Amino acid sequence: DSGVTQTPKHLITATGQRVTLRCSPRSGDLSVYWYQQSLDQGLQFLIQYYNGEERAKGNILERFSAQQFPDLHSELNLSSLELGDSALYFCASSPPRGAGNEKLFFGSGTQLSVL
Amino acid sequence: AQKVTQAQTEISVVEKEDVTLDCVYETRDTTYYLFWYKQPPSGELVFLIRRNSFDEQNEISGRYSWNFQKSTSSFNFTITASQVVDSAVYFCALSVPTGRRALTFGSGTRLQVQP
Repeated sequence: DSGVTQTPKHLITATGQRVTLRCSPRSGDLSVYWYQQSLDQGLQFLIQYYNGEERAKGNILERFSAQQFPDLHSELNLSSLELGDSALYFCASSPPRGAGNEKLFFGSGTQLSVL
Repeated sequence: AQKVTQAQTEISVVEKEDVTLDCVYETRDTTYYLFWYKQPPSGELVFLIRRNSFDEQNEISGRYSWNFQKSTSSFNFTITASQVVDSAVYFCALSVPTGRRALTFGSGTRLQVQP
């Protein structure tokens, strides 16, 4: 168990809908990352938050947004869903910077199916 | 920008065979970190190893060993005496300590170990 909690584990929805994926990082970790894993694109970095602030953006669509709350949990919002958004969405967290701390701990993922 | 290449899409071996998974990386940073993650059929991403760019010592952990060669920008992973439970997708990844710390993943190698 990595200590990173993601809910829900599975989500089935229809095109055009909006969903919210939730992530609780490991205790003490300030950084949260979101990744999308699809068959054709592999593991793609979407966005990173550090202590409530956006730190870096990757290949995140404009229809997607995220935030990190004061209690450090994060939510990834996906709107106007398309069939191609079906994927496994991972959240990861990392410890504060320091020697030996360069590592991401991944949650078990949310499998999103858009029908 | 960083790039990780795992040229082997899928490898199939028979139990007890040794197998090496290749990983080649690109980065202009002199300090970087290399990782291997395992994704078993259950879907979660399991951390296996992290290596710093300034530490070229090879590492052995049980049946797993890693060969880091800066001269060829490679970080290969060998499983000795493979077992059916080793069947998974293995990802090599790279991160740099400057700016965002998100991992850049390779496309993964699917390892099938036949009994």
